[in-house]
Amino acid sequence: GDSVTQMEGPVTLSEEAFLTINCTYTATGYPSLFWYVQYPGEGLQLLLKATKADDKGSNKGFEATYRKETTSFHLEKGSVQVSDSAVYFCALSPNSGGSNYKLTFGKGTLLTVNP
Amino acid sequence: DVKVTQSSRYLVKRTGEKVFLECVQDMDHENMFWYRQDPGLGLRLIYFSYDVKMKEKGDIPEGYSVSREKKERFSLILESASTNQTSMYLCASSPGAGYTGELFFGEGSRLTVL
Repeated sequence: GDSVTQMEGPVTLSEEAFLTINCTYTATGYPSLFWYVQYPGEGLQLLLKATKADDKGSNKGFEATYRKETTSFHLEKGSVQVSDSAVYFCALSPNSGGSNYKLTFGKGTLLTVNP
Repeated sequence: DVKVTQSSRYLVKRTGEKVFLECVQDMDHENMFWYRQDPGLGLRLIYFSYDVKMKEKGDIPEGYSVSREKKERFSLILESASTNQTSMYLCASSPGAGYTGELFFGEGSRLTVL
């Protein structure tokens, strides 16, 4: 079945440092890929997504590129801020919708950014 | 904007109590989901529903049931709460057939069972 493996945390960085959170997946066909963010005490919000190979999703300075050859969707940001402290989840969806449509999530990576 | 509302942000219940967690979405979505979130385990799907009165088991349905009497409302029921059901519960929704995009999440309900 489908699965998502993401970098174990926690990750602690200083403000303005470069961030990479690794995500690899196993799926049949051509899934869509997502990064969600969960700020303390809140639900999950979509951060970015990519729906086909070589697509780059971007939002709020974060980027991730859908790499089919390496089955990866690594999250990057050039200069993190204290406000980026959150839990980040990588997820995938099957390439066909239907009555059994659902997402598969990674276990999450806790990021703490210190001033 | 899609809004998914969970009725209670924080609940404290006793072992053996019956617990209802309510979720309402306002975008006429066909699909609704209940996940639980635990440190180190990520999100695990409990149940989902793709239509009124329809339900499907997810990965960890034991100890839970659900109800979907109206399209906009999806309830999670713990018939007899136990301490190992202490967790964060997340409701989500999405459009129906043919949709391959993201899920829309509520704020979460943190349940503590004593």
